[in-house]
Amino acid sequence: EAGVAQSPRYKIIEKRQSVAFWCNPISGHATLYWYQQILGQGPKLLIQFQNNGVVDDSQLPKDRFSAERLKGVDSTLKIQPAKLEDSAVYLCASSPLGGGGTDTQYFGPGTRLTVL
Amino acid sequence: GNSVTQMEGPVTLSEEAFLTINCTYTATGYPSLFWYVQYPGEGLQLLLKATKADDKGSNKGFEATYRKETTSFHLEKGSVQVSDSAVYFCALGRSSNTGKLIFGQGTTLQVKP
Repeated sequence: EAGVAQSPRYKIIEKRQSVAFWCNPISGHATLYWYQQILGQGPKLLIQFQNNGVVDDSQLPKDRFSAERLKGVDSTLKIQPAKLEDSAVYLCASSPLGGGGTDTQYFGPGTRLTVL
Repeated sequence: GNSVTQMEGPVTLSEEAFLTINCTYTATGYPSLFWYVQYPGEGLQLLLKATKADDKGSNKGFEATYRKETTSFHLEKGSVQVSDSAVYFCALGRSSNTGKLIFGQGTTLQVKP
């Protein structure tokens, strides 16, 4: 079974530029998550989708971050415009069930973003 | 609010030493508790979990017991190997809420031959 796929793996941009990340979850997984992991910290949830609906986006900086999950499968996360403090690894995860707190989440390899 | 605190690293051990990585949590109700591991160059993967008090999660020689009275979920292994070198994350999830995981800051383990 293929795991969670993410691209690109690395991205370097100047501040105020825009960037987009792509995630393909494990086939059949209903729930998809985007986390931000700043160096030396644990991942922090940005947004959670169940199928193509948003369940939790309370920690998404909506003035600059946006995300979508069309057709309940792939997802994209966009930052526009980027700030220096957005430098982090962006992790995508998926889970097969309804996203309850007991579900195992399966993580992709992440996209490392550097904002200069 | 909900939070997870892990012991600071890095932790450096010799092969075959005993490992303990402390994890305590703050949460209302009855969260599920997880240990995730991140090997060099790889993504996070679940190591073990426990969904209710007194449950013991175990995998690959690692164990952790959900202790509600001390709000702890310490990770232990009797004899570490060089291949266990990785970053370990303790996390909690709330079944009555979304699937959001709240992670600790991670503990780096380095095992020397």
